[in-house]
Amino acid sequence: QVTVRESGPALVKPTQTLTLTCTFSGFSLSTPGMCVSWIRQPPGKALEWLALIDWDDEKYYNTSLRNRLTISKDPSKNQVVLTMSNMDPVDTATYYCARTRNRHLDSWGQGTLVTVSS
Amino acid sequence: NFVLTQPHSVSESPGKTVTISCTRSSGSIGTNYVQWYQQRPGSAPTTVISEDNQRASGVPDRFSGSIDSSSNSASLTIAGLKTEDEADYFCQSYDSSNPVVFGGGTKLTVL
Repeated sequence: QVTVRESGPALVKPTQTLTLTCTFSGFSLSTPGMCVSWIRQPPGKALEWLALIDWDDEKYYNTSLRNRLTISKDPSKNQVVLTMSNMDPVDTATYYCARTRNRHLDSWGQGTLVTVSS
Repeated sequence: NFVLTQPHSVSESPGKTVTISCTRSSGSIGTNYVQWYQQRPGSAPTTVISEDNQRASGVPDRFSGSIDSSSNSASLTIAGLKTEDEADYFCQSYDSSNPVVFGGGTKLTVL
């Protein structure tokens, strides 16, 4: 059974760096074809893909946010970490991670709400 | 970058059939698979359709997916609508430069 869970701060201040951790079980990020994506959703708005890391440590970023994002993995801990720098109130959103195979996000975490406010 | 365009909202009565479209702005819709996700309020998205027309496990056969090359669009059709189908639906695809692209989402109201 695949499980995915996001963790991180519920509140960050403007200009701070957000660090989110995705902890998963039921699959290995060392398996060829396996990937993990981060996605966010501002309240009442659409899903926005942020970043993806694959089994071979290839990394892909949303082009409009590329200069603020860093994705990394620790397969031994079954974790993927996303950092987003220079946070702004417009970055207030629920942040999700999801197992991704063949570009299909097939198992999602429940999401974590991050509020950016001073 | 390409964009996937969905209607903002659709509404239909219980028992009826509704179709939600997802139009790709550039590149052929048939080149890369399209997925459809359902998101109920307060919950994470779940897959209803993958690889254009494959129902996810546990999804009733009232849900079907298709693609139309002439309009460069994908469609999600829900037959025999039930009130429990009321949710937001997002299409998703990709290309060689953009591993994940979401549509803007469609709010389905069953009234």
